[in-house]
Amino acid sequence: RKEVEQDPGPFNVPEGATVAFNCTYSNSASQSFFWYRQDCRKEPKLLMSVYSSGNEDGRFTAQLNRASQYISLLIRDSKLSDSATYLCVPPEGGGATNKLIFGTGTLLAVQP
Amino acid sequence: GAGVSQSPSNKVTEKGKDVELRCDPISGHTALYWYRQSLGQGLEFLIYFQGNSAPDKSGLPSDRFSAERTGGSVSTLTIQRTQQEDSAVYLCASSLVRNTEAFFGQGTRLTVV
Repeated sequence: RKEVEQDPGPFNVPEGATVAFNCTYSNSASQSFFWYRQDCRKEPKLLMSVYSSGNEDGRFTAQLNRASQYISLLIRDSKLSDSATYLCVPPEGGGATNKLIFGTGTLLAVQP
Repeated sequence: GAGVSQSPSNKVTEKGKDVELRCDPISGHTALYWYRQSLGQGLEFLIYFQGNSAPDKSGLPSDRFSAERTGGSVSTLTIQRTQQEDSAVYLCASSLVRNTEAFFGQGTRLTVV
């Protein structure tokens, strides 16, 4: 099993829709995880940091499901500007390592 | 602002030449990462430095690739005898300590012709 797996998409959704992405990972005791956003031909930028089981920031909610070993990102009321690739970094990079291992990313396209 | 700085931003080199890519992390950050991203692909982990510990080199694709970090700050990624398949964007990131959020530089776009 890969350390980190994401559905590559693309997710094509209309403006105002709610969309959710999952990211599965290998076993880890840590709880910290991160979601990044990467626009086309740009570097990844931190979207959310979570040091507990979940976090909510405006339209964005991130959650950790330790039993099923996945993290999720929920975006409510999608905007055109949310169109990007979303990259996950699960707890302890997805395994018993110290390095940050990124998922391959999920492409979101919000359409008018 | 004092973000992660990478140089050069673009590099075109001939096949077989050596190249050096530089990364200046955020001041005080002890962890530094190098990644490679080919067009349309995800981030491929290359190497990770944490303080004075031995680096995790498990992602380096071949012995043509090496990296060092001097004085716990600036890092240089060296690719010897470049090949066309080395063409990609090389991204550097730093974080305060391990397992905390990392911040990226704008990357070096390497093209091997």
